[in-house]
This record gives sequence, C-alpha cells and structure tokens, in this order.
Amino acid sequence: TQLLEQSPQFLSIQEGENLTVYCNSSSVFSSLQWYRQEPGEGPVLLVTVVTGGEVKKLKRLTFQFGDARKDSSLHITAAQTGDTGLYLCAGAPVNYGQNFVFGPGTRLSVLP
Amino acid sequence: ETGVTQTPRHLVMGMTNKKSLKCEQHLGHNAMYWYKQSAKKPLELMFVYSLEERVENNSVPSRFSPECPNSSHLFLHLHTLQPEDSALYLCASSRDAVFTDTQYFGPGTRLTVL
Repeated sequence: TQLLEQSPQFLSIQEGENLTVYCNSSSVFSSLQWYRQEPGEGPVLLVTVVTGGEVKKLKRLTFQFGDARKDSSLHITAAQTGDTGLYLCAGAPVNYGQNFVFGPGTRLSVLP
Repeated sequence: ETGVTQTPRHLVMGMTNKKSLKCEQHLGHNAMYWYKQSAKKPLELMFVYSLEERVENNSVPSRFSPECPNSSHLFLHLHTLQPEDSALYLCASSRDAVFTDTQYFGPGTRLTVL
C-alpha cells in the first residue's frame, strides 16, 4: 500500500480544456509538494502547501491542501501543450520519521 | 538550469560489470540524495547525505554503494546488478537535509541492466 495515491493515473485532454488531478492519503502530512517531470528530465518543484485549507495559484495552476492535510488537488485552467508531463505529489508524513515519499504520479497529455 | 548535473545520461551494463554514476551540484547545498524511478513504482528515496555524512539508507541492497567525497559530489557505485535494477536514477540536492527544503533534481541516468 502506497502512502500517497494519485488519480487519475493517465489523463489525455485537448488544449484549452480544464482538468483536476488528485493526491490522497490516509496519513497526515506537515506539507505537500507538487512536481512536474518532463521526459528525459528530473522533477521540478511547482509548489509547496503547508497549511490545511491553503490555496495557492501559479498562473493557470491552482493548488489546494485539504483541511485535514491528508489530500491535495491541482487544477489547471485552459491547458496548453506545454503542460504535458508527469505530475507528482510528495511529502513527509507526520508520523513517518523523516522519510519523504512520492506518489506514483499522473501522466498528463495535452493534445493540440 | 537546475544546477545539478548527472553523468552518464544513459548506461547499459551487464550483470557482472562494475560502473559508477556521478552527480554534481553547483548550488552550494549541504544535502544530496539518490532516488530510483522505475516504471512500476513511485520515486523511491535510496540514500541521503548531509555534509558528506550518510543520514538515511532506505534498505537498499548492498550492490548499490554510495560515496560522497564532498558536499558538491555524489557517486553511486554499482556492481553485480540485476535486470530489475534497470531504472532512471535521479540525484537531487537541497540546502539542508530537511525535507521541507526544496529539492533540485538532476536529469537522471537511464540505466539498463542486461
């Protein structure tokens, strides 16, 4: 059983559409991070959310941390082909020592 | 420019070979990490170094041997690997070995074990 689950696993949409991807856990996290990884590259940090209920916006991307700090969502408005990539959530569960875990990711394809 | 470089970018090796992966960070960070990313599993943390001392070893088989000669360089020595060790090996660095610090990843080494 993975500490972090992500859904959907794969998502293919047309340019201009909106989408939401989810990161869920039964554990509480002190903070969660979202990364995007493009083919042939390492993950790049997009945002860190630290407060339950927090909403952060990064241009067309909106990140939300659940009130109980067990889940998070990423919403993309008017997707562009440049948004294509693997979206990973990650964090350190509160009762898991200092271990840092990643979710399996959502692979997003935005078609022209 | 992430400031973290990895060489080689691609490596094919037999099960009896010995090879090394190299990572270098130009960010002045104190912590460095090795991760394994395979098709069937999420990113897995393998090793953590802080100020050149290993602080985390997540039950990694002994056929993987890390080395951190200074805070800018990290190596992963490989010997007698198995085909299931084929994966993308990612190096990362952060200011300190605190997981709330932003980690900067290199582009990875794509390893294939025949």
